[in-house]
Amino acid sequence: AQTVTQSQPEMSVQEAETVTLSCTYDTSESDYYLFWYKQPPSRQMILVIRQEAYKQQNATENRFSVNFQKAAKSFSLKISDSQLGDAAMYFCAYKTSYDKVIFGPGTSLSVIP
Amino acid sequence: ETGVTQTPRHLVMGMTNKKSLKCEQHLGHNAMYWYKQSAKKPLELMFVYNFKEQTENNSVPSRFSPECPNSSHLFLHLHTLQPEDSALYLCASSQGSSGITDTQYFGPGTRLTVL
Repeated sequence: AQTVTQSQPEMSVQEAETVTLSCTYDTSESDYYLFWYKQPPSRQMILVIRQEAYKQQNATENRFSVNFQKAAKSFSLKISDSQLGDAAMYFCAYKTSYDKVIFGPGTSLSVIP
Repeated sequence: ETGVTQTPRHLVMGMTNKKSLKCEQHLGHNAMYWYKQSAKKPLELMFVYNFKEQTENNSVPSRFSPECPNSSHLFLHLHTLQPEDSALYLCASSQGSSGITDTQYFGPGTRLTVL
């Protein structure tokens, strides 16, 4: 069965600094998709970034980028120039073409002014 | 944040009550989902509907009963709940296609407390 692990329950970063959130997953599939979702306190969960496993190039979205290491089954999220609004729970998620999305347990990110 | 809406946002109910949660999506999607989010636990998928047909029931107790009258609306009917059912219930929708375009969009959730 596929699993998603986020080994850092809590992280903190100084405003304007860079932070990396880790995610590993277990699968026997070769074609799948990976996502990072953000859930601010008392607000909706929103998609931050997504990556197709067959693409070697790491996805980027403004200050958010991923380091996708397929052989190591690792999908970390890097947030550059951290802002106060980045404080949230971050969930890593995995999906194959026809399967349900599997979420990790989440990492709570605090941003220190 | 108006793509997927959920009502009510907060609900307190006794164990003998019957209530319903409502979800509505305005994104033209074909798939809708119910998730349970408890403290310190990963999101738990409860139900999936694709083109109004239930395609997933993740071993959810029968005291939770979903209903999907059309692709835009999803309900979760609750009856005889237990205190351990207290959680944030999230609704999501997606295109229902395979592949990366099947990204899920979430509603704000209903915070349920069972007394």
